[in-house]
This record gives sequence, structure tokens and C-alpha cells, in this order.
Amino acid sequence: QVQLVESGGGLVKPGGSLRLSCAVSGFTFSDYYVSWIRQAPGKGLEWISHISTGGYTIYYADSVKGRFTISRDNAKNSLYLQMNGLRAEDTAVYYCARVRVWAVDYWGQGALVTVSS
Amino acid sequence: QSALTQPASVSGSPGQSITISCTGTSSDVGGYNYVSWYQQHPGKAPKLMIYEVSNRPSGVPDRFSGSKSGNTASLTISGLQAEDEADYYCSSYTSSSTGVVFGGGTKLTVL
Repeated sequence: QVQLVESGGGLVKPGGSLRLSCAVSGFTFSDYYVSWIRQAPGKGLEWISHISTGGYTIYYADSVKGRFTISRDNAKNSLYLQMNGLRAEDTAVYYCARVRVWAVDYWGQGALVTVSS
Repeated sequence: QSALTQPASVSGSPGQSITISCTGTSSDVGGYNYVSWYQQHPGKAPKLMIYEVSNRPSGVPDRFSGSKSGNTASLTISGLQAEDEADYYCSSYTSSSTGVVFGGGTKLTVL
């Protein structure tokens, strides 16, 4: 069955860095766009980034552009999100997601990132 | 401020039908048939309910249906059940930089 499992979340101080990983299984990872979507506590969903099958097409929301970097390793069936210059407003649950026809058909369980001093 | 506009809340009684609207622009909802709807229960990851405006993934009850007119998409749930109580989000492909935008979410209460 399709699975996406995030790791790497945690507590970090403002200005700090964190790297999220997402290990996928149950499907041919290299055939799909994948994305990171976040949800701040008590708030709605925000699509922050996605990456194409070969990694050549990448989008970032304005809120993270220049601070976050998405990448993938198709050989390792893994998606990554390098987060630098973290701010309090980046506190959220971060979901790894499989994208098909611009819809998310499978979600990870989410990784909580808390930015606080 | 979300790119797509949804009502903050809707409610209905068991067995009734409700409709949730999702209003965008010609750059997103009105310009592409890539509107999706998600259901999210508290503490859980969202679940895809509708994609490409009106298609249901396998396993989603046919009580859930989607449509679009101009810049507004709609999710209709007929025969409301208690387990339908959740937050619902729409999304759409957009020609702006992010690729996909979400609505602010609608809390459905089953009375």
C-alpha cells in the first residue's frame, strides 16, 4: 500500500535550521510530482512547495521562497525539505504529499515543526 | 488571506444536503478543471474527496459530488451523516507561482 512517512520535525530556535525527510513506498516514486504542505495550529492548509518527477521543475510559496529548499532522491524513494532561517510563523505540521492531476491523493501523517526560543 | 474563498462554517441535519462553495478567479478555479476537495477530521491528515472538479477517488461515497460554474466550485454532500462532520478544504491549480492554492476551509457541523 502507498505510504509516506515524514521525519525530522522538532523544536528549533528562531533563525535555526531543520531538514525534513519523507520516505515513500508502495508506488513508483519517480513517476509522481510530490509536495510539502503545512498547517499551522488551528489554521488552514498551505501548499508551500512541490517538485517534478525529475526534480527540474520546482515551485515555492512566497512565504518560504529563499529560505526553504525542496529536493528528491528517486533512487532512495525520498523527498526532503531543507528549512533555513526559521521563524515563529513557520510553526506547523508539515505534510509530505503525492500529487496527481494537481490533487493530493496520498498524505503522510505529518511532522510537527515548532519554532520557539 | 487565502487565495480561494470558502464560508467559515455550514451546518445541516442528518439526511439533509449541504453545499460548500469555493470562489476563486479566472487564474485558478475558473481557468482550470483542477479543483479538488479534502475532508479533514481533527488531528488527522486531510483526505481527498473530489479531484478534477467532479471525480471521486475509489472508496469515496457517491453522496459526495463536485461541480463548477465560472470562478466558483462547489462540494455537495447529500444524505448527511454524523461522520461527515469535519473541516473541508478546496484547492485549485493556479497560474501564479505556487502552482496550487487552498481555500481557507469550512467547518461542517452535523446537527
